[in-house]
Amino acid sequence: GESVGLHLPTLSVQEGDNSIINCAYSNSASDYFIWYKQESGKGPQFIIDIRSNMDKRQGQRVTVLLNKTVKHLSLQIAATQPGDSAVYFCAENRGGYNKLIFGAGTRLAVHP
Amino acid sequence: DVKVTQSSRYLVKRTGEKVFLECVQDMDHENMFWYRQDPGLGLRLIYFSYDVKMKEKGDIPEGYSVSREKKERFSLILESASTNQTSMYLCASSFGTDRLNTEAFFGQGTRLTVV
Repeated sequence: GESVGLHLPTLSVQEGDNSIINCAYSNSASDYFIWYKQESGKGPQFIIDIRSNMDKRQGQRVTVLLNKTVKHLSLQIAATQPGDSAVYFCAENRGGYNKLIFGAGTRLAVHP
Repeated sequence: DVKVTQSSRYLVKRTGEKVFLECVQDMDHENMFWYRQDPGLGLRLIYFSYDVKMKEKGDIPEGYSVSREKKERFSLILESASTNQTSMYLCASSFGTDRLNTEAFFGQGTRLTVV
């Protein structure tokens, strides 16, 4: 059965440091991955995506790395700011109708 | 900008009531989704729809049904609300499989409390 986790993993960083948030996905057939940011009281917002034919994709201050061999995804945030404090979710598209399956999330706490 | 609108931010219902959660999107998206979000469990897919009148079960469909009579609107129905359905409900929409960018856009969420 599914384990019930009441507490999100939390990553605490100092303002200005780089942050790395990790995610393991389960289905080797997944071909599209997205990182979302969710601030308190809001719905998740798209940050960056990557397709399975790529290893790396860069956006503004964010980079996503995909390692298909070990089914691992990471989100790197450069020069982390207080406004980056949120819960971050990775999502995988398990094919067919673009159905997205989400991970449990990681809370990022940025300290001044 | 894409807009996904959920009809209520907060809702309190009694056990046994039939509950309707409404979601409307304005981007002509083919796909629409209902997720529930609980602490530490992330977002779990309840149902999704890839076209009008078409629906597919997600990972946790028990106790729920959905309706998609028009492309822009997707309703989640709790046939007989129970306390274990107290949760945050999130609606999302996205383009279909023939598009390059298929990220899902989310509404603000409906926090449902069943008493």
